[in-house]
Amino acid sequence: QSALTQPASVSGSPGQSITISCTGTSSDVGRYDYVSWYQQHPGKAPKLMIHNVSNRPSGVSNRFSGSKSGNTASLTISGLQAEDEADYYCGSFTSSYTLVFGGGTKLTVL
Amino acid sequence: EVQLVESGGGLVQPGGSLRLSCEASGFTFSSHAVSWVRQAPGKGLDWVSAISDSGVNTYYADSVKGRFIISRDNSKNTLFLQMNSLRAEDTAVYYCAKVREGIIDPYDYWGQGTLVTVSS
Repeated sequence: QSALTQPASVSGSPGQSITISCTGTSSDVGRYDYVSWYQQHPGKAPKLMIHNVSNRPSGVSNRFSGSKSGNTASLTISGLQAEDEADYYCGSFTSSYTLVFGGGTKLTVL
Repeated sequence: EVQLVESGGGLVQPGGSLRLSCEASGFTFSSHAVSWVRQAPGKGLDWVSAISDSGVNTYYADSVKGRFIISRDNSKNTLFLQMNSLRAEDTAVYYCAKVREGIIDPYDYWGQGTLVTVSS
């Protein structure tokens, strides 16, 4: 199972919006609405930010939103804040009953 | 408060074995699937294995199938990963993660991780 494709890095200024893409195949992202997004700060465990494409867990800021079109899912962060600087990973359930992650995207807040 | 505490990591020679444990608390362990996810130094997340709430169903990444065995003891709220025939590429921080709902993801709680180093 190949990893999902994410941009290696994205950046934005405080207050701006950014979008991170996550491209898979018809066997994972395109087949199921089981796409999740995780935030990871250096030296810390990942944190669930979005599940089932667009659902936010309790306690996650509404500045984070998710969507999907075809084989590509997206995470949008609006009103960028310094604390959003982190690595972001998408993950998708697959037709092989496994989970596949993206390679990760480093978000820099300028 | 949900807590997941991994243990059992360490240095092991190529071809060796190691057993990881993950002690869970703060939720009804027997009602949730749980997984192992690893992260090599400086690299991204890599899904390893998952086990259903009852322990009947198990799932593995191709890279570990036939070498790793996931199991759980619901009476002790503990998840295990038996790792055999270890290779240098298995070197990583191993996280256990609780599945919010469903079989394999999403993961709403993660442990702090335990480092496994495979080297001679």
